[in-house]
Amino acid sequence: GAGVSQSPRYKVAKRGQDVALRCDPISGHVSLFWYQQALGQGPEFLTYFQNEAQLDKSGLPSDRFFAERPEGSVSTLKIQRTQQEDSAVYLCASSLERSAIYADTQYFGPGTRLTVL
Amino acid sequence: SQQGEEDPQALSIQEGENATMNCSYKTSINNLQWYRQNSGRGLVHLILIRSNEREKHSGRLRVTLDTSKKSSSLLITASRAADTASYFCATDPADTGRRALTFGSGTRLQVQP
Repeated sequence: GAGVSQSPRYKVAKRGQDVALRCDPISGHVSLFWYQQALGQGPEFLTYFQNEAQLDKSGLPSDRFFAERPEGSVSTLKIQRTQQEDSAVYLCASSLERSAIYADTQYFGPGTRLTVL
Repeated sequence: SQQGEEDPQALSIQEGENATMNCSYKTSINNLQWYRQNSGRGLVHLILIRSNEREKHSGRLRVTLDTSKKSSSLLITASRAADTASYFCATDPADTGRRALTFGSGTRLQVQP
């Protein structure tokens, strides 16, 4: 089946603009994650959903960042009043979460590269 | 903050040679996973090793885990030019109730044809 898809693939925003990034996870995957990846670094966790419930948002860097998954499938990451330091690749991942204890394999989308001018 | 640290940060080898990448982490884990990322692309899962496992193989990949030293290594045998990518270790921290992975900063592997 289809993998995780993200749109747009590239987004250029002027400082102060709001942006919305979309993630379509693999069908049937319970868990959905958002990560932020700076150039030359590994992904850093932003937030986690189990179905429609946002169970962990401890990685969101400020209250300008907001994520939702209202029907437990598609998710949107919204960044309000973008700043230059928000420039990064935003990765979405989904997983089955077959275990209540262990993290399962995560399947990543191609990412959205956000550039804030 | 990133828990894992990969070593080396960059590695350049000739096709056919073996490539070894190391990962160290700080806290107890449930499992450790290795991912690969081609330039401008998302991450692809390679292998998962549980905390009670010491070694795992998948094709040309061999992963070891030493929980007493809080370290892991990824060996790619008989490397190919197509193996050129960044490789990340990611840990599932134990006793946190979290599902999110904690990634290292990656090793950039260049395989020369």
